[in-house]
Amino acid sequence: KNEVEQSPQNLTAQEGEFITINCSYSVGISALHWLQQHPGGGIVSLFMLSSGKKKHGRLIATINIQEKHSSLHITASHPRDSAVYICASGGGADGLTFGKGTHLIIQP
Amino acid sequence: NAGVTQTPKFRVLKTGQSMTLLCAQDMNHEYMYWYRQDPGMGLRLIHYSVGEGTTAKGEVPDGYNVSRLKKQNFLLGLESAAPSQTSVYFCASFGGGETQYFGPGTRLLVL
Repeated sequence: KNEVEQSPQNLTAQEGEFITINCSYSVGISALHWLQQHPGGGIVSLFMLSSGKKKHGRLIATINIQEKHSSLHITASHPRDSAVYICASGGGADGLTFGKGTHLIIQP
Repeated sequence: NAGVTQTPKFRVLKTGQSMTLLCAQDMNHEYMYWYRQDPGMGLRLIHYSVGEGTTAKGEVPDGYNVSRLKKQNFLLGLESAAPSQTSVYFCASFGGGETQYFGPGTRLLVL
């Protein structure tokens, strides 16, 4: 069974700071997902990665397949980035295995 | 497109009562999933379906049943609710691309 670990569990930062959230997994996977859960509870998919790096706006996601590790970076963080960020492995038909999430608070 | 919708949004049950949660998607996706989210834990897969008429067990299937009679709908049933089933339930669908689409969630409280 694949285990997905995230760090840190909680992160508080000041507006404008560069944010890094880490994710490691125990077995080889086909894909790694990053999701965002808003304070209201809704879950939105941010990225799916199978190799390398992806960028969308101020969000950057990287993955190192050999080290079984992925990172999510937020540049020029803003209070509206405050949310829970969730890493999940999988991507095929049989669903995702989720980490416990990182609760991010960006203070003005 | 409405995406993925869930009914109801919130429900309170007494122990032993039954209920059905409905998930509907309008994206013609083959794959649909039911997850539960509990404090301090990641989302966990309850059951999933890879197409109309098919279902399969996930990580935590006990106490739940599912049906996928129509491609757009995935129903999750609790035959005899228990307090341990108090949770937030999320439905998701996947069309084989890069994005899993999640419903808004159903908060269930079992007393």
